[in-house]
Amino acid sequence: GNSVTQMEGPVTLSEEAFLTINCTYTATGYPSLFWYVQYPGEGLQLLLKATKADDKGSNKGFEATYRKETTSFHLEKGSVQVSDSAVYFCALSVYNQGGKLIFGQGTELSVKP
Amino acid sequence: DVKVTQSSRYLVKRTGEKVFLECVQDMDHENMFWYRQDPGLGLRLIYFSYDVKMKEKGDIPEGYSVSREKKERFSLILESASTNQTSMYLCASSYSEQFFGPGTRLTVL
Repeated sequence: GNSVTQMEGPVTLSEEAFLTINCTYTATGYPSLFWYVQYPGEGLQLLLKATKADDKGSNKGFEATYRKETTSFHLEKGSVQVSDSAVYFCALSVYNQGGKLIFGQGTELSVKP
Repeated sequence: DVKVTQSSRYLVKRTGEKVFLECVQDMDHENMFWYRQDPGLGLRLIYFSYDVKMKEKGDIPEGYSVSREKKERFSLILESASTNQTSMYLCASSYSEQFFGPGTRLTVL
């Protein structure tokens, strides 16, 4: 079956530190991969996505590269800010399944000044 | 600006009550989804709908039903609420990318 596994949180970093949140997946077919972010008290927002192998998604200084050989889509940012404190979800969707998303369990990030 | 709205941000109900959670989108999307979010479990799909009056079970449909009488509105129904349905409920709609509402935090006492 299809599944997504993320590194467990919470992750606590100091401002300007480098961030990596690991995400690996199992999928039949050719998935699209997503990172969503949930700020406190809000719903989820799409952060970035990649639809095929070797694609790099990027937004707001965050990046993730679709690695088919390692079935991974790790989220990175070179210098985090306090405003990046949120819960991050990795997700996949498989073509011809109506846009359904399968989510990882979420990773809480806390950035301290 | 795209908008998915949910009828309540917080809701407190008693065991055995019938509960309606409403979701409205203004983007003319055909696809709509209901998820529940629990710590350590991420988001799990309850039901989804591809079109008016169509519905499909997700991964955890037990104890829930849905209604889609109009394209813009997708309702989640708890026929007889139980304490294990205390959770955050998130609605989404999509054409290609999913847009989420702010969520309803439901507490069942």
